[in-house]
Amino acid sequence: NAGVTQTPKFQVLKTGQSMTLQCAQDMNHNSMYWYRQDPGMGLRLIYYSASEGTTDKGEVPNGYNVSRLNKREFSLRLESAAPSQTSVYFCASSARPDRGGSPLHFGNGTRLTVT
Amino acid sequence: LAKTTQPISMDSYEGQEVNITCSHNNIATNDYITWYQQFPSQGPRFIIQGYKTKVTNEVASLFIPADRKSSTLSLPRVSLSDTAVYYCLVGDDGGTASKLTFGTGTRLQVTL
Repeated sequence: NAGVTQTPKFQVLKTGQSMTLQCAQDMNHNSMYWYRQDPGMGLRLIYYSASEGTTDKGEVPNGYNVSRLNKREFSLRLESAAPSQTSVYFCASSARPDRGGSPLHFGNGTRLTVT
Repeated sequence: LAKTTQPISMDSYEGQEVNITCSHNNIATNDYITWYQQFPSQGPRFIIQGYKTKVTNEVASLFIPADRKSSTLSLPRVSLSDTAVYYCLVGDDGGTASKLTFGTGTRLQVTL
């Protein structure tokens, strides 16, 4: 049982390049989330998907797009990377999205550097 | 949004009990309180969750007063391996889905 798997683990981009971060969960969870964590900071929500077929913005959505490909997979795309997007990106899932009653399960992160 | 406030950092010696308090004054009626632990270079890990009164598991206890405007995570007899950042999270219903947001966390340093 792998839980939440993120790929790649590390990535270096030049300013203006694009890339897609992949996330997959094998727990049959309905909800999935993308967070970013800057050095020494807490986690900030980028986008989330309450259920298959729906996505919504979090705190810091600018510069990102997401796709809930199916129930298992939720990808995050940077169309034109900027140095301000240098961060560690975490994907998470939960059985359901209601009021925090369902704990989040996190992947181990993708460390992205934009030069 | 149910914002949370925690101490930025705490220090403890190995073997002591550590209590970390989180303030969440505008918690909604049906919101749960959840605590996560994060080690460097890893994603956060679920520790404990509660709604009211006291919850205990093999790792920690969670104390929630009747007004639910705060909660306290209690770690009994900490060890060096408990050095981590601890996040208090309060469920927030943004309508049909929950925008679960984290606070700044409490950095716990355990020393000998």
